[in-house]
Amino acid sequence: EVQLVESGGGLVQPGGSLRLSCAASGFTLDTYEMNWVRQTPGKGLEWLSYISSRGTTIYYADSVKARFTISRDNAKNSLYLQMNSLRAEDTAVYYCARGAISTFGGVILTNSFFDSWGHGTLVTVSS
Amino acid sequence: DIQLTQSPSFLSASVGDRVTITCRASQGIHNYFAWYQQKPGKAPKVLIYTASTLQSGVPSRFSGSGSGTEFTLTISSLQPEDFATYYCQQVNTYPLTFGQGTKLEIK
Repeated sequence: EVQLVESGGGLVQPGGSLRLSCAASGFTLDTYEMNWVRQTPGKGLEWLSYISSRGTTIYYADSVKARFTISRDNAKNSLYLQMNSLRAEDTAVYYCARGAISTFGGVILTNSFFDSWGHGTLVTVSS
Repeated sequence: DIQLTQSPSFLSASVGDRVTITCRASQGIHNYFAWYQQKPGKAPKVLIYTASTLQSGVPSRFSGSGSGTEFTLTISSLQPEDFATYYCQQVNTYPLTFGQGTKLEIK
């Protein structure tokens, strides 16, 4: 069974740092592209970051660029999100999500949708 | 960035109703588009990908259509377990973006 389990959330003061982890099981992590998504309480979903299967290509949302760093350790079946200079508006539930591989019109698509999500970890930024 | 605008934001309907949710993209995104369902306290679950492909295990009462800039999610006959929040997503261009959500409530 495919499973993603996030950890590392908690209460942090503004300006502080946290490192989120996402442990993958039931599949080989190095085959898949991965993402982080967050959801503020009572609000919608915000995509934050993407990392290719080998970690060679990375993208960020403008809201976290230069403050957050995505990384992965395929040997440990783990994905990470280092979050620095945290702000109150970063308070949210953070999810890791697996990018699905699909085909369309004979073309193989990677990261074409998110087919597995973790349960989420809550990050609260407050003094 | 590509903006996705969902309508309506709230929808009240009854069991057995046919409902349609629309998502408009600020620029063309081909068919690189997905729909998700989210229930309170749970992670989102994909329903439709590449605009019209039903994810394995999702009931056939869910269907998706559209291409380019306008997409729809249709539920042909609402069931009690379908009352949830629905999100659209574009995967054509980074940064990836989601719509603001449509909350489907029981009338």
